[in-house]
Amino acid sequence: AQKVTQAQTEISVVEKEDVTLDCVYETRDTTYYLFWYKQPPSGELVFLIRRNSFDEQNEISGRYSWNFQKSTSSFNFTITASQVVDSAVYFCALSEAGYFNKFYFGSGTKLNVKP
Amino acid sequence: ETGVTQTPRHLVMGMTNKKSLKCEQHLGHNAMYWYKQSAKKPLELMFVYNFKEQTENNSVPSRFSPECPNSSHLFLHLHTLQPEDSALYLCASSQEGRTGGSGYTFGSGTRLTVV
Repeated sequence: AQKVTQAQTEISVVEKEDVTLDCVYETRDTTYYLFWYKQPPSGELVFLIRRNSFDEQNEISGRYSWNFQKSTSSFNFTITASQVVDSAVYFCALSEAGYFNKFYFGSGTKLNVKP
Repeated sequence: ETGVTQTPRHLVMGMTNKKSLKCEQHLGHNAMYWYKQSAKKPLELMFVYNFKEQTENNSVPSRFSPECPNSSHLFLHLHTLQPEDSALYLCASSQEGRTGGSGYTFGSGTRLTVV
């Protein structure tokens, strides 16, 4: 079974719109870590956020915010007032029990922000 | 230079060629990874090295041969590849065993085209 599901393959928005990228995960571990990475056209995956399973506080960083809900096994990512530079593929990932060699990536959501 | 550096950025090779991809990390991490990213497919973990020892080989064909001479360098030797091996090959590093931090740090990848 897929451990991380990103159901949205591709999303297109117009600049300044808000957009939410969905991530649903599956694990039996009580200790786990969730991540979001951004992959711009240059190819490198850039770390955005790490959240551990014991910290359900939502986080805001500038225009980015993350909503972690254990009850629904979701870790959604919202970009407010999107910009063209936000265009990229975004990956959600799960690491179980802190072992980083057991990383499970979602299939990614391609975000297109049009001017 | 900091982070994870991959060379070359682009590589075109014939099916009978032998080439090598190089990855170098300057972060003091003790684990390194090779991932394959094909079009419209999830990221695929290929190899994991912890403290220079290979700990995982995800059923990768023998035409891909990894080498980790020390904890800072990782190579992927390629020979007699097939056109379907064309993909973006990403190297990553992490501090295995440490539950903090940002998980993986990725390189920019090598875009490989097999002709």
